[in-house]
This record gives sequence, structure tokens and C-alpha cells, in this order.
Amino acid sequence: EDQVTQSPEALRLQEGESSSLNCSYTVSGLRGLFWYRQDPGKGPEFLFTLYSAGEEKEKERLKATLTKKESFLHITAPKPEDSATYLCAVTLNAGGTSYGKLTFGQGTILTVHP
Amino acid sequence: EAQVTQNPRYLITVTGKKLTVTCSQNMNHEYMSWYRQDPGLGLRQIYYSMNVEVTDKGDVPEGYKVSRKEKRNFPLILESPSPNQTSLYFCASSPRQPPYEQYFGPGTRLTVT
Repeated sequence: EDQVTQSPEALRLQEGESSSLNCSYTVSGLRGLFWYRQDPGKGPEFLFTLYSAGEEKEKERLKATLTKKESFLHITAPKPEDSATYLCAVTLNAGGTSYGKLTFGQGTILTVHP
Repeated sequence: EAQVTQNPRYLITVTGKKLTVTCSQNMNHEYMSWYRQDPGLGLRQIYYSMNVEVTDKGDVPEGYKVSRKEKRNFPLILESPSPNQTSLYFCASSPRQPPYEQYFGPGTRLTVT
């Protein structure tokens, strides 16, 4: 069974204290891995898509990386407005029977204190 | 404004009373999907649609139906709701099937008593 596991479940940081969130997956035939941000009471908001091991993408204080088994979301010098739940999700190769399926992890709740 | 809309946003209903949650997007997206979000279980995919008249099951399709008769609309139908379908539901759309980015609606909070 395809699995996506995020760690830690919750992370509390001081403003400016850099850290990383982890997303590990056991799917075979990865087509893409996504990172989303979700604020309380709202729908998830797209951040990044990563397609192959070694790929990196950056946006402001966020940097996402991908290996063959996991992805990291690095947060550099976070600010209180970075507080949110961060979700990762995976989708499989077109040759599989689940081409349109997305499997999400349970998310990491990030709190950044001023 | 490009957006995904869901209606209603909040719904309290009783067991067995059929209901429909509508989802509409104005971006001419091919791909649409429904998810439910529950504490401790995260987001789980219910159904998705690659295009008009093309739908398929996600991970938790039991108790739900969908249809895609028009490109912009993807309603979620609960024929006989049960309390275990109490959840927060999200609709999403994407220009293409995954791995393209998805745009999520604001959510529908459903309570079945």
C-alpha cells in the first residue's frame, strides 16, 4: 500500500530559527511530489512540485528537496506568518492504474513564535 | 477571479437524507477531485475526474457518488449520509491531471446527526 508519512507532527520554532520538515514515501513509480500550505479553516495552497531525485525548488524562505525516498521542506529564518500546516502529497506514474490519485501525508503543524 | 467554489459551506443534516455538495471552477480545468479531511487522518481522496464523463475512485469512495457532465462542475452526492461522513470536504481542480498543481476550494463542513 502506498504510504506517505510526515514528521514531526508538530513543530514549534522561534522566529529566525531555521528547521526542516520531512515527508517520506513508500510508493513505487513516483510521478510527482507536492508540498501544500494550509491555514486554519482554509483549503490547501500549492507551494511546490518536485519530479525527480535531486531536484530542488525555492520560494521566499522555503526550499523543497527530493530524494528517492523522502522530501524535505527547509524553512530558513521563519516568521510568525509562516505558521500553518504543511502537507505533502504524491502521485504515481502514468503506467499505473491510479494515475489520477493523490495520496497526502497527515501534515506538520508549524508554529513560529515572535 | 480564478477560483473554485463550493456550496454549501456549512451543512448539518440527518442520517439518510440525500444531499449534494456542489463544486464549480471557472478556470477551464480538466482535472477535478474531492477530498475529505479528518483530524489525525489528513486529506483523503474520495473521487477524481480526468475530464468530462471520466471519473474514478480515490482511496475512500464508499458512500459517495460523483458526476462530471460539464467541465466546470463536479458535484459530490451522498445518497444516504451516515454520521461517519461527518467531515470537512474540499474540492480541487487542476489544468491537467497530476502532477500539476491543484487549486482548492474553501471547504464544506458537513455534520451528519
